Amino acid sequence: AQSVAQPEDQVNVAEGNPLTVKCTYSVSGNPYLFWYVQYPNRGLQFLLKYITGDNLVKGSYGFEAEFNKSQTSFHLKKPSALVSDSALYFCAVRGRNQGGKLIFGQGTELSVKP
Amino acid sequence: ETGVTQSPTHLIKTRGQQVTLRCSSQSGHNTVSWYQQALGQGPQFIFQYYREEENGRGNFPPRFSGLQFPNYSSELNVNALELDDSALYLCASAIGQTTYEQYFGPGTRLTVT
Repeated sequence: AQSVAQPEDQVNVAEGNPLTVKCTYSVSGNPYLFWYVQYPNRGLQFLLKYITGDNLVKGSYGFEAEFNKSQTSFHLKKPSALVSDSALYFCAVRGRNQGGKLIFGQGTELSVKP
Repeated sequence: ETGVTQSPTHLIKTRGQQVTLRCSSQSGHNTVSWYQQALGQGPQFIFQYYREEENGRGNFPPRFSGLQFPNYSSELNVNALELDDSALYLCASAIGQTTYEQYFGPGTRLTVT
């Protein structure tokens, strides 16, 4: 069965420090990988995706993610966190023959303190 | 903002009732997907419509049904509501069936009492 795991319910970082939000996946074949962010009472906003090619992908708002095929991971990173980055982050995966069906992790609450 | 709109914003229904949620896709998008997000969980795929035809369905019972109209707007219908149907319902639009990026609306918060 296809699944996505975000092992941390919450991540706390100080403003200006680097942040990492972890994601591992279990999907057959070579999946497409995504990160979305959700602010309170808002829908999901697309941050970045990995389709193929360079394992380090860059996205919106200074975020980047590293695809590691051997570890089946796709961790979200940012060199310097901002208080405004505080939100709920979701990792998602889509199989290459799954049409538009996204499988989401359970989410990680990121809290950035001044 | 993504250009995807949903109505209503909030809704309270009683167990056993039926509900219709609406989604207006971003201009030029012909694919819409619906997701259910229970409190504290990630969204779960309900189904997808492409050019008015259902072309993918998640693990949801038949009482969850949908429609996509010629202008690519969409409805999600849920019959015989159960307490566990209380959730945020998200729609997402995209160009084509297998496009990489889906654009989500703000969601409809459904509460079943």
